Amino acid sequence: DVKVTQSSRYLVKRTGEKVFLECVQDMDHENMFWYRQDPGLGLRLIYFSYDVKMKEKGDIPEGYSVSREKKERFSLILESASTNQTSMYLCASSFLRGSSTDTQYFGPGTRLTVL
Amino acid sequence: AQSVTQLGSHVSVSEGALVLLRCNYSSSVPPYLFWYVQYPNQGLQLLLKYTTGATLVKGINGFEAEFKKSETSFHLTKPSAHMSDAAEYFCAVSYTGRRALTFGSGTRLQVQP
Repeated sequence: DVKVTQSSRYLVKRTGEKVFLECVQDMDHENMFWYRQDPGLGLRLIYFSYDVKMKEKGDIPEGYSVSREKKERFSLILESASTNQTSMYLCASSFLRGSSTDTQYFGPGTRLTVL
Repeated sequence: AQSVTQLGSHVSVSEGALVLLRCNYSSSVPPYLFWYVQYPNQGLQLLLKYTTGATLVKGINGFEAEFKKSETSFHLTKPSAHMSDAAEYFCAVSYTGRRALTFGSGTRLQVQP
């Protein structure tokens, strides 16, 4: 079974703090994704990566950055957290580089609250 | 640009009744269509997907969906609801050359005993 793990299930941070969300997959997948999930808005893509050190902006990248130094690990960084970044963050991975039809496997999510 | 519309943010059915969750898409190129399910406190998992070929797609747990190009729809159905089907369901779309998915806003399914 594919396993995607996220470092925290719940996180509470203060406005202005730098926040790191970590995601690890154990199946040698090429692609990794970060989404945020908000009620009534579904999932929105923040960033994705199709190779080590490669990244592409998604639909809502403002206020976020990412890092992929190793194939199995993809980090989401909030340089200066703001209250409007309070959300559920979901990490996903998929196997085939360049595939538009490959199944994405999701982690359990990190619920981030910024006070 | 692509988009997905899920009609009904909440749907309630009785156990044993038909489940119908609606999804309409907008795409200027042939779409690839997906349904994902999210059980409470879990991540999403794939129910089924349409890429090419047969337009009626069968998925896990007795769910199926039919791609209707003329109606730009990909509705999800299950003949008989079970209590364990209570979850949030997301429709998503992609197309050739796009590696990420565009998701709808989700439909929360409630199953009444």
